[in-house]
Amino acid sequence: RKEVEQDPGPFNVPEGATVAFNCTYSNSASQSFFWYRQDCRKEPKLLMSVYSSGNEDGRFTAQLNRASQYISLLIRDSKLSDSATYLCVVGAGGFKTIFGAGTRLFVKA
Amino acid sequence: NAGVTQTPKFRILKIGQSMTLQCTQDMNHNYMYWYRQDPGMGLKLIYYSVGAGITDKGEVPNGYNVSRSTTEDFPLRLELAAPSQTSVYFCASSPRTAANSPLHFGNGTRLTVT
Repeated sequence: RKEVEQDPGPFNVPEGATVAFNCTYSNSASQSFFWYRQDCRKEPKLLMSVYSSGNEDGRFTAQLNRASQYISLLIRDSKLSDSATYLCVVGAGGFKTIFGAGTRLFVKA
Repeated sequence: NAGVTQTPKFRILKIGQSMTLQCTQDMNHNYMYWYRQDPGMGLKLIYYSVGAGITDKGEVPNGYNVSRSTTEDFPLRLELAAPSQTSVYFCASSPRTAANSPLHFGNGTRLTVT
């Protein structure tokens, strides 16, 4: 079993749609959680950190469920510019940071 | 406001050749990292450094070497390139350990070994 698993997609959604991605992790001792965005042939960039109580940044909402060991990312009112690969990243302490393989999102006009 | 700068952007190597991937950051971050990204896989940590003069192996260090003589620079050396090293390489830095703070990535080096 991979340490961090994501549905690779692709998710194809129309503009204005709401889309949700889940990510599961295997190490119950994991301490920190992030979502990164990676555009085609570009470097990953931090989208948002994920806090225990859940957090929101504009159209993006992140949730953490420690009991079930998953995190989620909800994107509301999708824009064409949201098309990218979304990476789930889990920190297990120290320098052990595990990247998921990513979920590809295509938003269509 | 350069952030993390990597050079070169692209490189083609023949099997057995050597090269150095350059990485420099201007954010005064102590922590620096080298990752590789293969298609359909998550980023894998090659080496990391917690400060000038201190480096350590990550998950996939074989075939690579690093040095950290200054806070700013963290070059990655490939000796005797092999086709398995064909990948996209990202350098990153962070103000605290990677597990506790976001990473700032360079724009990557696409390496092909033939």
